[in-house]
Amino acid sequence: DAGVIQSPRHEVTEMGQEVTLRCKPISGHNSLFWYRQTMMRGLELLIYFNNNVPIDDSGMPEDRFSAKMPNASFSTLKIQPSEPRDSAVYFCASSLVTGESEKLFFGSGTQLSVL
Amino acid sequence: QQQVKQSPQSLIVQKGGIPIINCAYENTAFDYFPWYQQFPGKGPALLIAIRPDVSEKKEGRFTISFNKSAKQFSLHIMDSQPGDSATYFCAAAERFQETSGSRLTFGEGTQLTVNP
Repeated sequence: DAGVIQSPRHEVTEMGQEVTLRCKPISGHNSLFWYRQTMMRGLELLIYFNNNVPIDDSGMPEDRFSAKMPNASFSTLKIQPSEPRDSAVYFCASSLVTGESEKLFFGSGTQLSVL
Repeated sequence: QQQVKQSPQSLIVQKGGIPIINCAYENTAFDYFPWYQQFPGKGPALLIAIRPDVSEKKEGRFTISFNKSAKQFSLHIMDSQPGDSATYFCAAAERFQETSGSRLTFGEGTQLTVNP
């Protein structure tokens, strides 16, 4: 299995532009998470999907952020309009929730720089 | 609100030393405590995890010690190697009410350097 695949690996954009980050979870996993990592705030959960349905989006910082999961194999995180303070590494993670199983698999992340 | 406090922020040891990283939590709803290891340019990867019904778990050179009454847990790395140099995150999980999944809250991270 290729693991969780994120694209792009790096994104540099200008303030005000729309940014779309993409994620392909591990096949068969039923939970998907978007995390943001910064030096100041560490790893923060932005949104959690279970069986393609958003369960908890309380971590989404503002209405500028939106996430979708149209099917079990694809998710997007969109920022519109982007701001310099959105610069961070964005991680997608997936897991298969089966009873006691809690193992989260992370992608390699998207390094976002908003100028 | 930081629900999981991790220390130290950075740690340097010599090869063969036993680095210890500590975490403390407040939320008694947490029921699963994993440690993740992250190398530069990579996402965190699960290293070892423990549930609160046991006080210690060992996997290879990595050991978690758990003190439920003190709400603290720690990671010990035996016979540390330069290849263990990475950032380590503790985490604590509480179950979502709507599904059987869990929300992970991460500590701030500890940057470990193991010198040869």
